[in-house]
Amino acid sequence: DVQLVQSAAEVKKPGESLKISCKGSGYTFTNHWIGWVRQMPGKGLEWMGIIYAGDSDTRYSPSFQGQITLSADKSISTAYLQWTTLKTSDTAMYYCARSSLNCGGDCYFDYWGQGTLVTVSS
Amino acid sequence: SFVMTQSPSVSVAPGKTARITCGGDNIGSKAVHWYQKKPGQAPVLVIYYDSDRPSGIPERFSGSNSGDTATLTISRVEAGDEADYYCQVWGSTSDHPLFGGGTKLTVL
Repeated sequence: DVQLVQSAAEVKKPGESLKISCKGSGYTFTNHWIGWVRQMPGKGLEWMGIIYAGDSDTRYSPSFQGQITLSADKSISTAYLQWTTLKTSDTAMYYCARSSLNCGGDCYFDYWGQGTLVTVSS
Repeated sequence: SFVMTQSPSVSVAPGKTARITCGGDNIGSKAVHWYQKKPGQAPVLVIYYDSDRPSGIPERFSGSNSGDTATLTISRVEAGDEADYYCQVWGSTSDHPLFGGGTKLTVL
């Protein structure tokens, strides 16, 4: 069965760094994009960026460009979302999602991780 | 960047039909996908490529896309359908996915 398992919830202070993970299993990790989605409390879903696990081709949403770094380690089928300097406004639920196979310009996301809650508070 | 507009909320009585729209300039030329998001749960894909349904999604869920409007239709609405629904396309110039603002479906 296809699964995306995300790392556990985190509580951090402003200014700290953080890297959360998303481990894929049950499929060929390198054949799909992994996308990251933010949901702030009481708000809608926002795409942050996507990374192609096969070659680490990365695309960032303009709102998140320069604020986050996406990476992937295909040897362990794991994608990462990283911040170097957290802000209180980064408090949110973060989801990873797997793209459809061989998509280009029309991808949908068919499997989702369970979410990682990040709380940033002094 | 391509902008998609969804009504903030739709209300429908159980057993009736809910129509949730996603507007955008010539959105009919794009592939539209729909997700259901319930509180405390991960999003679930309910419609892809305008009108295809993933396995496990009830036939009550259907989709269409033409002109400037894509529509998610839920027939014979049940209490369990109450959720936020998001449309998604791939931005042609932005080269990454885009969501609409989401529609909250309330079952009366």
